[in-house]
Amino acid sequence: NAGVMQNPRHLVRRRGQEARLRCSPMKGHSHVYWYRQLPEEGLKFMVYLQKENIIDESGMPKERFSAEFPKEGPSILRIQQVVRGDSAAYFCASHHSGLAGVLFNEQFFGPGTRLTVL
Amino acid sequence: GENVEQHPSTLSVQEGDSAVIKCTYSDSASNYFPWYKQELGKGPQLIIDIRSNVGEKKDQRIAVTLNKTAKHFSLHITETQPEDSAVYFCAAYKKTSYDKVIFGPGTSLSVIP
Repeated sequence: NAGVMQNPRHLVRRRGQEARLRCSPMKGHSHVYWYRQLPEEGLKFMVYLQKENIIDESGMPKERFSAEFPKEGPSILRIQQVVRGDSAAYFCASHHSGLAGVLFNEQFFGPGTRLTVL
Repeated sequence: GENVEQHPSTLSVQEGDSAVIKCTYSDSASNYFPWYKQELGKGPQLIIDIRSNVGEKKDQRIAVTLNKTAKHFSLHITETQPEDSAVYFCAAYKKTSYDKVIFGPGTSLSVIP
C-alpha cells in the first residue's frame, strides 16, 4: 500500500534547462496538489488538479510553469527555462474523492523533489 | 488576503520539557486547523487537527487549542522526546470549490537530550 511517490528526489538543472517533476498519488486518489517550499518557509500552494483537469492554478506562475494529471500515469509539474529562483522543494499531495459529511479530506504528502538550479 | 502566521520560527527545549507553538489566521471562514510534522528529507505528515467548533483536543502528549474569536490556535507538546525534533507547520483550511489549505511558515523544534 504505497504512499504518494515523487521522483526524482533530487534534480539538478542549469539555468535555461527544463525540469520535469513526477508525482504518483496514493492508490485510489484522484486529487493532486502541488506545493513549493522555499528554504525556511512554509508550503505555498501552486496548483490543484483532478484527473485530466486543472481545477485551480492560481498559485502557479503564469510563465514557464505548467502541470498536468493525465488519465493514465503520474501528475507532472513542468518548469521550462529554469532560473536560480526556482530552486526549492516541490511537494505533491493527494486525497481521495471525499466522503459525504467529511469536513476535511486529509492530504497525504509525498517526500518531495528538491530542485537545484545552478 | 489569506495568511497564517506562526511563532516562534525556531524552538529549543530540553528533553522532558514542554513546547508550545502559536499560530494566528486571517480568514474568518477557516473552519479546520491541521498541524503537520515534517522530518528531515520527508514530506509533511498530519499529526493532529481541530475543528472550529471545538476549543481543545488532546492526543497523548500532543494537544491543540483554538480561540476562534481571536483567531489563534496553538500546539502543545508535553514531555518532549528527541524524536519530536522536526519542523512543525500549522495550517488553516476552508472549503471552497476544493480543500484549500494555507500553511504557516513553520517552527523548527529541537529537543536536546
